[in-house]
Amino acid sequence: AQSVSQHNHHVILSEAASLELGCNYSYGGTVNLFWYVQYPGQHLQLLLKYFSGDPLVKGIKGFEAEFIKSKFSFNLRKPSVQWSDTAEYFCAVNLGGGADGLTFGKGTHLIIQP
Amino acid sequence: GAGVSQSPRYKVAKRGQDVALRCDPISGHVSLFWYQQALGQGPEFLTYFQNEAQLDKSGLPSDRFFAERPEGSVSTLKIQRTQQEDSAVYLCASSLGPRPNTGELFFGEGSRLTVL
Repeated sequence: AQSVSQHNHHVILSEAASLELGCNYSYGGTVNLFWYVQYPGQHLQLLLKYFSGDPLVKGIKGFEAEFIKSKFSFNLRKPSVQWSDTAEYFCAVNLGGGADGLTFGKGTHLIIQP
Repeated sequence: GAGVSQSPRYKVAKRGQDVALRCDPISGHVSLFWYQQALGQGPEFLTYFQNEAQLDKSGLPSDRFFAERPEGSVSTLKIQRTQQEDSAVYLCASSLGPRPNTGELFFGEGSRLTVL
């Protein structure tokens, strides 16, 4: 079964710092990859997704992620974070063809200090 | 409605009680998923419906868990004889298309269950 590993459970940054959150998955076949965000008191929202094509994916709010197949990785990046980026970030994967529900990582709690 | 709606938002149950959690997906969405999110963990897949058909229930942790979607819209997750380990946030998500599901999942705000 596929699994998703997020390297950092808690990250604290100052505003304007650059962000990179790690995500690795453990399935050797074709996968679809996602990053979801959960702002305090809100529901999970899709940040970005990768199905095929250009491995550098751009999402909402200035976020991007790069799919590196050889490293089984899909790291999330943002050049300059804002206080409003404080949230829980989840990486998720499903099998190519999207047969079943998503498998999520445990999440990274990001705190941006003003 | 505009989004996925879940009720109740919070539920406290005594151990051994039965609970029912409701999900009202986005109108017209074919696919509906239930997830369980324990404290400090990511959501874990419970079950999947395509319209009224429950096509995958492999994630349900025990036979005390039961889900239905009789008319292909609203879904109910029922937990019988609740145990403390059932305490979690139960998330419902829907998406427009059927499997293979390449579309975005839209999540509700969840129902937080606390079993005393």
